[in-house]
This record gives sequence, C-alpha cells and structure tokens, in this order.
Amino acid sequence: DAGVTQSPTHLIKTRGQQVTLRCSPKSGHDTVSWYQQALGQGPQFIFQYYEEEERQRGNFPDRFSGHQFPNYSSELNVNALLLGDSALYLCASSGDRGFSGELFFGEGSRLTVL
Amino acid sequence: GQQLNQSPQSMFIQEGEDVSMNCTSSSIFNTWLWYKQDPGEGPVLLIALYKAGELTSNGRLTAQFGITRKDSFLNISASIPSDVGIYFCAGFTGTASKLTFGTGTRLQVTL
Repeated sequence: DAGVTQSPTHLIKTRGQQVTLRCSPKSGHDTVSWYQQALGQGPQFIFQYYEEEERQRGNFPDRFSGHQFPNYSSELNVNALLLGDSALYLCASSGDRGFSGELFFGEGSRLTVL
Repeated sequence: GQQLNQSPQSMFIQEGEDVSMNCTSSSIFNTWLWYKQDPGEGPVLLIALYKAGELTSNGRLTAQFGITRKDSFLNISASIPSDVGIYFCAGFTGTASKLTFGTGTRLQVTL
C-alpha cells in the first residue's frame, strides 16, 4: 500500500522563478492538504483540496496556488519565488469521512530559493 | 501564522528515562494530535485525542487532552534511541480543515 508520494524531493530555484510540486495521496484517500515547514518550525497550513476544489486556505499570498486532479493527486505552484519561500513543503492526505485531523504526510519537497 | 507553544524546546535524556512534554494554546481545540518527525521525513501520527480530559496510550506513549481544551501533554516511558526526533502537537477545531501545529520539542537520547 503506497503512502503519500511527493516529487521532486529537492530542488533549487532563483528569486522570481516559478515552481511546481507534485503529490499523490495514500491509496483510498481523496483529500490533499499542503503545508509549509520553515527550518526549525512546525508545519503551516497552506490549503486543502477536495473534489478538485480548494476547500480552505491558510494565510498565504496568491502566489501560492494549487490544483487537484480527478485521480486525487495534487500540485502546488508558487510564482515569483522569494528567498523566504525556502522551506520543506509537505503534502498530506486524508479520507474525507468527517476529517478528524488525522493526516498522512509525505516526505516533503525541500525547496531552496537563491 | 499561529503556532502552538511547546515546551521544552529541546531535551537531552539518557536511555531508559521517562520524558514529558506539553503544548499550550490561547484557543480551544476539539481534537489534539501528536506527531513525530524524523530527519528527512514527514511527520507521523502517534496519538489522537478527541475528548477533553481523555488519557490515551500507544505503547510507551501516553497523551492527555487538557480539561480546558487549551493544552495537551505527551509522556514517553523508558526512552530508547529510536525515540530521537522532533515531536509536534497539533490542534484541530473540527469546523475547519486545517491543523495548527506547535513549535516542536526536539528529543535527543544518549546511551
């Protein structure tokens, strides 16, 4: 049973560039959430997707956008990268039968912005 | 964004010792969860608590949901080297889709 898979695992970009991160949820899960984890901090909620719609959004600018596909996989896009966007980006999936807070996380995509 | 306050920030203990850590919030949560993150990995759920005052165990781990719904505690008994990692608490209101995470407690275990 495959867990949550994310790609790429590491990437380096320069300021102003754009990045796309990808996530496949755990088998049987239909809800995908994205979190940003800065060095030494806890994860911060970016947004959650369910039925291909953004269901809730955290306190992140519009430069952060996402998408969910019919197979439940998801992408996170960040435009006009800033140095402060350097972080570990975590994807988490859950079954939607009354989201209880129990999330299954991937290993993350480590983004470095130079 | 909001982060819950965890203490201690880090701990160095000897193998076999018991560990206690806690998490406090200025807001009420209806669910408290504890996750562990190893280097290079995503967080893994350890324990979930759904009711104020609830005490739940998972092997050597015991967690409590504070009666005020603004705090939670995690205890690890008889620590072993594989307990090394960062422990995060997380709160869930039940009316939103997001988890609010704590600042983390880094645990180091010496032999």
